[in-house]
Amino acid sequence: EAGVAQSPRYKIIEKRQSVAFWCNPISGHATLYWYQQILGQGPKLLIQFQNNGVVDDSQLPKDRFSAERLKGVDSTLKIQPAKLEDSAVYLCASSLGLPQGAWGEQYFGPGTRLTVT
Amino acid sequence: DAKTTQPPSMDCAEGRAANLPCNHSTISGNEYVYWYRQIHSQGPQYIIHGLKNNETNEMASLIITEDRKSSTLILPHATLRDTAVYYCIVRVPGNQFYFGTGTSLTVIP
Repeated sequence: EAGVAQSPRYKIIEKRQSVAFWCNPISGHATLYWYQQILGQGPKLLIQFQNNGVVDDSQLPKDRFSAERLKGVDSTLKIQPAKLEDSAVYLCASSLGLPQGAWGEQYFGPGTRLTVT
Repeated sequence: DAKTTQPPSMDCAEGRAANLPCNHSTISGNEYVYWYRQIHSQGPQYIIHGLKNNETNEMASLIITEDRKSSTLILPHATLRDTAVYYCIVRVPGNQFYFGTGTSLTVIP
């Protein structure tokens, strides 16, 4: 089966610019996650969707980050304006919807490496 | 916050078993132990999970102590492709995955 797709793979922007990342989850996966991974650290959850509804966005810096999953499939994560500390890899993951997905694994995409200069 | 403690790095000779320890002394009764790994420049990959019984799949074995305060992930015959960061996570099903900093395993030829 096709995995989680993300684009772009790399992005370099200047601070105060805006950027958007795209994710296409595995077909049939109702739950979608966005993670931020800073160099040397483990991934940190930013936001979780169940279909097109937000389940958890408690760690999303809402003053500059936004995410949407309008049709319950693809998702976009946006940063506006970017700061130097946003330099990280942004990972998208998907899983089967609850309750089945609660027990098993999340499938991760390759990530987008963002560099803010 | 991560509720597990792992050594920051380990080495293992190719072809030998890699035993990766994880301490989770504050684990609660409904929390499962999950293992993921992350190969350089890739997203994390699920390996295995368990509650209290030992588990085995095609990738690895998971040994959980009787008191559930620690566990060991065993890669029975490590290859160079097993070089990665390994994350041990405790989680109530349906809740967030909290990734710590993991163990960086290097398989040496």
